[in-house]
Amino acid sequence: IAGITQAPTSQILAAGRRMTLRCTQDMRHNAMYWYRQDLGLGLRLIHYSNTAGTTGKGEVPDGYSVSRANTDDFPLTLASAVPSQTSVYFCASSETTIDTQYFGPGTRLTVL
Amino acid sequence: AQSVSQHNHHVILSEAASLELGCNYSYGGTVNLFWYVQYPGQHLQLLLKYFSGDPLVKGIKGFEAEFIKSKFSFNLRKPSVQWSDTAEYFCAVKGDDKIIFGKGTRLHILP
Repeated sequence: IAGITQAPTSQILAAGRRMTLRCTQDMRHNAMYWYRQDLGLGLRLIHYSNTAGTTGKGEVPDGYSVSRANTDDFPLTLASAVPSQTSVYFCASSETTIDTQYFGPGTRLTVL
Repeated sequence: AQSVSQHNHHVILSEAASLELGCNYSYGGTVNLFWYVQYPGQHLQLLLKYFSGDPLVKGIKGFEAEFIKSKFSFNLRKPSVQWSDTAEYFCAVKGDDKIIFGKGTRLHILP
């Protein structure tokens, strides 16, 4: 069982470009989440999905969009990247919204 | 909406010292509380959690946390730290429909 996989592992991106970060889980968890981790700011929730077909906004949703077409995949899209989106992005999943979250290995994104 | 605050941003201890990391939350209703750890170069993993019952929760690697409802606190403790406990520790609280993480405490253990 792989758990949660994220791709790419790291990426350098020019400002203004579109980028999709991929997240896949094989645990059949209902809930999935995207966080960004920045020094001194901890983990901040970008978007979440309580179940396939539904999504919600977290603390810092601006500039990001998500979709949840099926249970396993939860891609995060930056429509037009800006330098302030340079961060480490973690995807997580949990069986329900009150359960332990399992985190992916992260994607380190640099926007120049 | 809930919020969570971790008072210590950076803690440095010697091996065998006792540890207590503070975590306070604000939310008027029933909460679920978590402590996660992120070892250098790794992703977050769960240390322990509180949902209900005994307010003293024991987790992995000798960590424990006590939920004190009157103080809105969920402090993490370990009686004797090891060099391998060097990591960043995150408190998290779930009140309504999503979990909110604190800003983290970087713990550095001197060998």
